[in-house]
Amino acid sequence: DARVTQTPRHKVTEMGQEVTMRCQPILGHNTVFWYRQTMMQGLELLAYFRNRAPLDDSGMPKDRFSAEMPDATLATLKIQPSEPRDSAVYFCASRLARNTGELFFGEGSRLTVL
Amino acid sequence: AQKITQTQPGMFVQEKEAVTLDCTYDTSDQSYGLFWYKQPSSGEMIFLIYQGSYDEQNATEGRYSLNFQKARKSANLVISASQLGDSAMYFCAMRETGPGANSKLTFGKGITLSVRP
Repeated sequence: DARVTQTPRHKVTEMGQEVTMRCQPILGHNTVFWYRQTMMQGLELLAYFRNRAPLDDSGMPKDRFSAEMPDATLATLKIQPSEPRDSAVYFCASRLARNTGELFFGEGSRLTVL
Repeated sequence: AQKITQTQPGMFVQEKEAVTLDCTYDTSDQSYGLFWYKQPSSGEMIFLIYQGSYDEQNATEGRYSLNFQKARKSANLVISASQLGDSAMYFCAMRETGPGANSKLTFGKGITLSVRP
């Protein structure tokens, strides 16, 4: 049963700490996305990659957020330093590059910054 | 720029009845795709149905159908024979699909559906 895997599922940290979230996309999917979900803003696209190359990270605060794909089976989203306003659920999603393919989402990483 | 609007604050439906969840969109592209996702209280995002802008027939997937009205730029989700397990948040989303289109999927704010027994 192919699925997108995210770790950690839950993270509570203190302001100023570094947070790293990891994602394993579905094998063979070459387009990977990071979304953030909050009550106020809904689902926001932070960044996405195709064939491991970053295509768009305009939704991401550049001063503290960074996203990478060290290899085809791992995507990371790092926040350093974290702030309370970063508290949200972070979703990773992947799909094939064909235009009509739906996104397959991971279960999300719920981040709480105190 | 793409925009998805879901204005219904919350919807209630009696079990076994049908319900329509509204979605309007705005795009200048001729080629695009429309998606609906379900997010139950457990938090995962579940793909429900897809409609391409050039599809002549309305998409259907089991109890889900998409009422696509291109001229009105609306893509309403119809759930027939509602079940208690349909209680969830529902998101409408859109992506450009033409040559050179980016892969971004833009989401609406979502609609909460509660099914009453």
